[in-house]
Amino acid sequence: DQQVKQNSPSLSVQEGRISILNCDYTNSMFDYFLWYKKYPAEGPTFLISISSIKDKNEDGRFTVFLNKSAKHLSLHIVPSQPGDSAVYFCAAKEWAGAQKLVFGQGTRLTINP
Amino acid sequence: DAGVTQSPTHLIKTRGQQVTLRCSPKSGHDTVSWYQQALGQGPQFIFQYYEEEERQRGNFPDRFSGHQFPNYSSELNVNALLLGDSALYLCASSNVGGSGNEKLFFGSGTQLSVL
Repeated sequence: DQQVKQNSPSLSVQEGRISILNCDYTNSMFDYFLWYKKYPAEGPTFLISISSIKDKNEDGRFTVFLNKSAKHLSLHIVPSQPGDSAVYFCAAKEWAGAQKLVFGQGTRLTINP
Repeated sequence: DAGVTQSPTHLIKTRGQQVTLRCSPKSGHDTVSWYQQALGQGPQFIFQYYEEEERQRGNFPDRFSGHQFPNYSSELNVNALLLGDSALYLCASSNVGGSGNEKLFFGSGTQLSVL
């Protein structure tokens, strides 16, 4: 039972353009959502998060949007840079302080020069 | 400041054997969680240790067990290895005693291959 889904295994974007990564979830108990970035041979690193009481959170070039009614969130990267090439994981948990993260399958983002 | 460190980085075992993986949390962190990442999948929660006790567990069989030491480091043990246990095992640490919205910091993982 995949509670968090990232339906695009890969995405290719030109440098300077916008990258949009999508994530859907099925568990209504999820209350807090995060995006992690993973380079090869490294562990995932935290990127940005959003609480269910918000619909948008911004941090520099990264913005996460949450649509609770659709159980959908997206990560926007503007402008995309070559260093953004990595695997991006969407994750969810049932409350902000919970330790258990439920991850999606990941989307491999490639930024082309 | 050292981050989360895991050892070994790679390990090859045969079916039926037992394996122990080790993790040292980031300085100042008191909680360790373990995740299994199969090829092409996202990390899957195994269990969490806090105050030397297992506090939460994911959907993994009893063959998976762990331990946390007084210095907050942790071990993951897997008995009777199966081919399907081949995966990247990630350790993540955080400070539960903090504000309550603590980010998880991950180590680079141990790549386990079961032949």
